[in-house]
Amino acid sequence: QSVLTQPPSVSGAPGQRVTISCTGSSSNVGAGYDVHWYQQVPGTAPKLLIYGNNNRPSGVPDRFSGSKSGTSASLAITGLQAEDEADYYCQSYDSSLSGSVFGGGTKLTVL
Amino acid sequence: EVQLVESGGGLVQTGGSLRLSCAASGFTFSSYWMSWVRQAPGKGLEWVANINEDGSEKYYVDSVKGRFTISRDNAKNSLYLQMNSLRAEDRAEYYCARYNHYCMDVWGKGTTVTVSS
Repeated sequence: QSVLTQPPSVSGAPGQRVTISCTGSSSNVGAGYDVHWYQQVPGTAPKLLIYGNNNRPSGVPDRFSGSKSGTSASLAITGLQAEDEADYYCQSYDSSLSGSVFGGGTKLTVL
Repeated sequence: EVQLVESGGGLVQTGGSLRLSCAASGFTFSSYWMSWVRQAPGKGLEWVANINEDGSEKYYVDSVKGRFTISRDNAKNSLYLQMNSLRAEDRAEYYCARYNHYCMDVWGKGTTVTVSS
């Protein structure tokens, strides 16, 4: 049971828009700590996709965007492409655990 | 190029020990917090430990407290994870990551730890 809750899977056709939710609590997301998102293609290391709720590292396409409100955050991917098929994880800091917490991950399937 | 390279993984018996290393290059290692994150086969990511810039602050997930020790050698640009009393549930891919403003912005490719009885 992960501290941050994500849907196990989402899917969409090429060109469509999908969103992935991440729900936390008052000791992490709700306490004001930023949410970050990672993309992991199977068999490879995770890659930072969104940091500080809605910021993209250099090289990440603007098709990826993040938002946060209250105890939840979301990752949106527009103009879905086959290469977006991967696992996506949200992460934040938890003050009661004095450490980082991850969501359980969401598998994105591009139909 | 900013790079992290893990090593030291392998097969160990239950109750045994292993020391993981992570060699950093391409950035000022001593200026950053560092993390270890693991991923059990077919499972999600789990934060394991953090260490601050000079090694004076260390934090661990509850499941490894008292068994794992994170450390660093800034002169060698290296991060370590000493793992003792290994259990079957410690079997995972272990990633070294740079911890920057509460996120892991650079990741290594990982090293595999297998624990068998």
